[in-house]
Amino acid sequence: EAQVTQNPRYLITVTGKKLTVTCSQNMNHEYMSWYRQDPGLGLRQIYYSMNVEVTDKGDVPEGYKVSRKEKRNFPLILESPSPNQTSLYFCASSLFGGGSYNEQFFGPGTRLTVL
Amino acid sequence: QQPVQSPQAVILREGEDAVINCSSSKALYSVHWYRQKHGEAPVFLMILLKGGEQKGHEKISASFNEKKQQSSLYLTASQLSYSGTYFCGTVRSGTYKYIFGTGTRLKVLA
Repeated sequence: EAQVTQNPRYLITVTGKKLTVTCSQNMNHEYMSWYRQDPGLGLRQIYYSMNVEVTDKGDVPEGYKVSRKEKRNFPLILESPSPNQTSLYFCASSLFGGGSYNEQFFGPGTRLTVL
Repeated sequence: QQPVQSPQAVILREGEDAVINCSSSKALYSVHWYRQKHGEAPVFLMILLKGGEQKGHEKISASFNEKKQQSSLYLTASQLSYSGTYFCGTVRSGTYKYIFGTGTRLKVLA
């Protein structure tokens, strides 16, 4: 089954404790992206990746890191989480870059709470 | 800046129609529409690539006016399953950044 998976689905952590949210897709997509969703602010792009070893900032990259060492995986790293990073996070992928000509497939989401 | 959607929220009875608008202050070269049900991930509805293009998806269709930098989503004879939040989205010109609109919450009542 074609899908995007994220883990964990729910996470409660404390300020400053490094964490990684994993994202994996099995569709051989080139473009992958991370979004955060907050009430009243909608979906905002954090980082995206055009292909292996090619990543770039979205609109809200501060406090986050990403890497793309394999085509299928695109982990989101919070090296020192803070309460303002409490949010619902989605990973997404599409066949080609930018999603201009392709739909994005979304993972199920990760609800992160930073205390 | 995010594309602005209107209305922000709408409540319908089953069988009624609705129009959701998406307006951008910057040039739009393509528009995508997604629906997100409560507690779930967004799901793709359709892409419009050219000005003047119209598409249909069951009883949901959309139009794209490139000159006006606007797109509209039309929901006809709404069903309970149409409830959710609708987002337009686009790729920022000259980049591969993706940006979603402000969203429209739609609720269909029996």
